[in-house]
Amino acid sequence: DAKTTQPPSMDCAEGRAANLPCNHSTISGNEYVYWYRQIHSQGPQYIIHGLKNNETNEMASLIITEDRKSSTLILPHATLRDTAVYYCIPLTGNQFYFGTGTSLTVIP
Amino acid sequence: NAGVTQTPKFQVLKTGQSMTLQCAQDMNHEYMSWYRQDPGMGLRLIHYSVGAGITDQGEVPNGYNVSRSTTEDFPLRLLSAAPSQTSVYFCASSPGTSGRGDEQYFGPGTRLTVT
Repeated sequence: DAKTTQPPSMDCAEGRAANLPCNHSTISGNEYVYWYRQIHSQGPQYIIHGLKNNETNEMASLIITEDRKSSTLILPHATLRDTAVYYCIPLTGNQFYFGTGTSLTVIP
Repeated sequence: NAGVTQTPKFQVLKTGQSMTLQCAQDMNHEYMSWYRQDPGMGLRLIHYSVGAGITDQGEVPNGYNVSRSTTEDFPLRLLSAAPSQTSVYFCASSPGTSGRGDEQYFGPGTRLTVT
């Protein structure tokens, strides 16, 4: 099963881009990488996912390296409401394995 | 759509008691799952289901039972509650059966304390 490594915490100034890295060096060729976030004690919220190509949606961009061993989630203009724990999760079969994620604090 | 609903929101049990956490979704999703989240930790998968009548174990299934008699409902049963089961429990659903390319929708959680 693919494991992930994320920095435990990061700060970002409001209005700036937040770049959240994730290392998933053991990911297999057909495992998607998902990103979720959890604001305070709420249920996790889906952000974006990808397999090989870079992806963009209204919330964020996902950059996946060519060797697929790492990815970066980009929040282009962070707001205070983006303060949350961000999880990088490889989908293994039918199971998601959440790690401890990165706690992002957006600073005014 | 109400999305994914969970009841109760809060529950206190004594050691040895049993109870059922309820989860329902009105999006006709095939895939449903239960997670627990301990303080300061990420979510860990307990059980999941890829459709009515089909369930499977996740990462931490011991002490929990599930069944899936309808597409809409996926209850989680604690057989004999232990203090180690004090946690926040989240239910989730997604459209597909494999989860590939599908986002999961999470409920608001049930906060369980076992004394």
